[in-house]
Amino acid sequence: AQTVTQSQPEMSVQEAETVTLSCTYDTSENNYYLFWYKQPPSRQMILVIRQEAYKQQNATENRFSVNFQKAAKSFSLKISDSQLGDTAMYFCAYATGNQFYFGTGTSLTVIP
Amino acid sequence: EAQVTQNPRYLITVTGKKLTVTCSQNMNHEYMSWYRQDPGLGLRQIYYSMNVEVTDKGDVPEGYKVSRKEKRNFPLILESPSPNQTSLYFCASSGTWRGEKLFFGSGTQLSVL
Repeated sequence: AQTVTQSQPEMSVQEAETVTLSCTYDTSENNYYLFWYKQPPSRQMILVIRQEAYKQQNATENRFSVNFQKAAKSFSLKISDSQLGDTAMYFCAYATGNQFYFGTGTSLTVIP
Repeated sequence: EAQVTQNPRYLITVTGKKLTVTCSQNMNHEYMSWYRQDPGLGLRQIYYSMNVEVTDKGDVPEGYKVSRKEKRNFPLILESPSPNQTSLYFCASSGTWRGEKLFFGSGTQLSVL
């Protein structure tokens, strides 16, 4: 079975600082997709970033970037210049085509 | 506006009373799926559908049914709900089933007493 592990249940960061959320996954597949989703208190699920496993270049979206280490099966999310609106639960997810697997989430609090 | 519409947002019911949570998308997406979110467990996939009349089990399908008679609709049916199905449920869709971005509904908080 595929598994996604987020080892940090809770984290906090000062506003304007940088924080990194970790994620590891287990798979025997070669082609797959990785995601970070954000869930603010409104509980809406919002895509932060998506990475295709066959692409070696790390994905970036404005202040959000990933460190994708395929051999180590690691997919960490770096948030730069943290803002109060980044306070949310963050879920790492793995997809192998038609099935999605989510981690247990990291609750991030940005402190003013 | 492109969206996934899920209803109801909140539902309180009693054990054994059949219920349906509706899900509809207006983006002509092929792929639709259902998830339940529980504290400490993240989201777990219940069922998914790659197209009309094509459905398959996810990780936690027991106690649930789905149908995909039309491309836009993918209802989740609990024929005999039990308290362990109390959870936050999400419907999601994507253009195809090839690992594309999921568009999520706004969630249904279900309580089974």
